[in-house]
Amino acid sequence: EPEVTQTPSHQVTQMGQEVILRCVPISNHLYFYWYRQILGQKVEFLVSFYNNEISEKSEIFDDQFSVERPDGSNFTLKIRSTKLEDSAMYFCASSGQEVQQYFGPGTRLTVT
Amino acid sequence: QKEVEQDPGPLSVPEGAIVSLNCTYSNSAFQYFMWYRQYSRKGPELLMYTYSSGNKEDGRFTAQVDKSSKYISLFIRDSQPSDSATYLCAMSRPGNEKLTFGTGTRLTIIP
Repeated sequence: EPEVTQTPSHQVTQMGQEVILRCVPISNHLYFYWYRQILGQKVEFLVSFYNNEISEKSEIFDDQFSVERPDGSNFTLKIRSTKLEDSAMYFCASSGQEVQQYFGPGTRLTVT
Repeated sequence: QKEVEQDPGPLSVPEGAIVSLNCTYSNSAFQYFMWYRQYSRKGPELLMYTYSSGNKEDGRFTAQVDKSSKYISLFIRDSQPSDSATYLCAMSRPGNEKLTFGTGTRLTIIP
């Protein structure tokens, strides 16, 4: 069964550094998303991406964040100048023509 | 008022019992309703999807949506220890792909 994959599973970085989180969505899907989940809190929407552009973003998704689909398979989230409060699980999701979104296993980002 | 409210639990039930998990919401524009299961430090796994009001059954799982009350439920029959996880409700509006999640209910099935 096709699934969303994410790398790395755990990323440790120092405050102020840049990180890139990578995702491979399900191959025939057209819509891509990033969500985050701070430990003990609910899953929060960050951004949606369709047809090579951002279709919606949340208040969390400020200039510190960017997304890119550099080739036909990968979907990346870049976080510039990381802060302690960026520590969270970051989930990539994808969907096809239907509404249901399928999530990857997540990348645990720890900012020290 | 939060857009989506979900009792965080924890909820413990004996194996074989029927489990009822619920969410309420305030935004009447929500039309698509989903239930996800999340094991500790893993990604949400889609369990059930329902459009608008009504019931949907899949094996031991039944999802119900009551739009008039802004209330959704997930029932698990013949619960198993492997059902122990956090259950998340999520919903979205037509034309808007963003999912809005509840906080999740932590469920433990006791053998």
